[in-house]
Parts: sequence; structure tokens; C-alpha cells
Amino acid sequence: DFVMTQSPDSLAVSLGERATINCKSSQTILYSSDNKNYLAWYQQKPGQPPKLLIYWASIRESGVPDRFSGSGSGTDFTLTISSLQAEDVAVYYCQQYHSTPYTFGQGTRLEIK
Amino acid sequence: QVQLQQSGPGLVKPSQTLSLTCAISGDSVSSYTVSWHWIRQSPSRGLEWLGRTYYRSKWYSDYADSVRSRITFNPDTSKNQFSLQLNSVTPEDTAVYYCVRATAGAGWSDPWGQGTLVTVSS
Repeated sequence: DFVMTQSPDSLAVSLGERATINCKSSQTILYSSDNKNYLAWYQQKPGQPPKLLIYWASIRESGVPDRFSGSGSGTDFTLTISSLQAEDVAVYYCQQYHSTPYTFGQGTRLEIK
Repeated sequence: QVQLQQSGPGLVKPSQTLSLTCAISGDSVSSYTVSWHWIRQSPSRGLEWLGRTYYRSKWYSDYADSVRSRITFNPDTSKNQFSLQLNSVTPEDTAVYYCVRATAGAGWSDPWGQGTLVTVSS
């Protein structure tokens, strides 16, 4: 199975500052046949299901603010929030969908400093 | 807009069967362009993918090794829904269960059902 490891486990950032969350896969999730990274990012707020933010590692889902961006390739990926807003307080997860079982990172809790 | 509505009991006794249903609106359970998944979330196991079912001229299902011997997905085309059955539950199966849709050829989960907290306790 692909093991997804996020860092840090928790993060406190000031409003308006940049937040960076990392995700590392135990194996490459880049398919050479289509040159796509099979990675998604989700945001989860208390009492709600996760919400899709980014897929193919860097494509923002429709309606997601452009302060959210994804980058990386192969085994190392990053979710960046360019200017933290109060409504971004949540837990963030990465997920690989390269191979079943689809696996998630353990989550990164983002708070306001 | 696709919506998934979950239903089922929130309390199940140990050794019994957990059964949940996910009703689909805005898409078809037998669509060739999607697959239907169950994911659960608990403090001890995090987000755990349980498996998927999909239709490609016939029904296919594949399951996570951790539950393979106890789990079954049942699509119901007449009601446009799919269900989860997990047998012989233990307190370790206590979690919030989600149904989700994934696009064929991809695998990200969107949308998600509202979630059902299932507690395994006598």
C-alpha cells in the first residue's frame, strides 16, 4: 500500500501569512503513461465531510479560492495557502488515487496564530 | 449537482452487521463514468478507504484488505443507490462512514455524503 505522510501535524499561521503543508508518498504517484500525479487535497471543518480542494496535484476544484495552490511531483507534494483567512482553519488531508487501496495522509491541523 | 444522502442506524451491537445506504441524486449508480466508494474516519485509523463498486457492462467491487472478508457493497439500480454491509463488527469499527463518488480514470472523492457516525457497542 501507498503510505502518505503529512508534515507538520499541526500548524499555526498569522492571518494574511502563508501556510505550507507537505505530503510525501512512499512510492511515486506519477503515472508515466499520462504524466499525471494522482494526488488530491481536501479540507475538513468540524462536523463536515472533507471537501475537495485540488486534484491531479495542482488543479483547483471549481469554486476553490485561488489562494489555495498545489505543487509537487513523484513523491513530494505541497499545499500552499498564500494568504491565510479565518475561514481556512481546518484539517487538511492529501490522498493518493494512483492505486487501490486509496490512502490518505494523517491530516494537518491549521490554526490561527 | 450530484448529492449523496446516507441512511442507516447509528448503533450496532458487537458481532452484528453494520448496514448503510447511500442514495444518489444527479447521477446514476450504473454510470460508466464513475465509481462509488465507502470511506470511514476514526481518531485511531484516520481516513480509511474501504472499497468501491462500479458498473462496466457488469458490476465490479474491490475492497480494502483490512475488511475484505467482512464487507459487501450492493448497488440497487431500481432505487439508484448503493449500500454497505460490514459483518461481525467490533468496537474497532466505530467510525464516521462516508459514501463518495469518484470519476472514472481518476479517483478523487467528490462529492461526499453527509457522514454517519456508527457506534459499535452493546
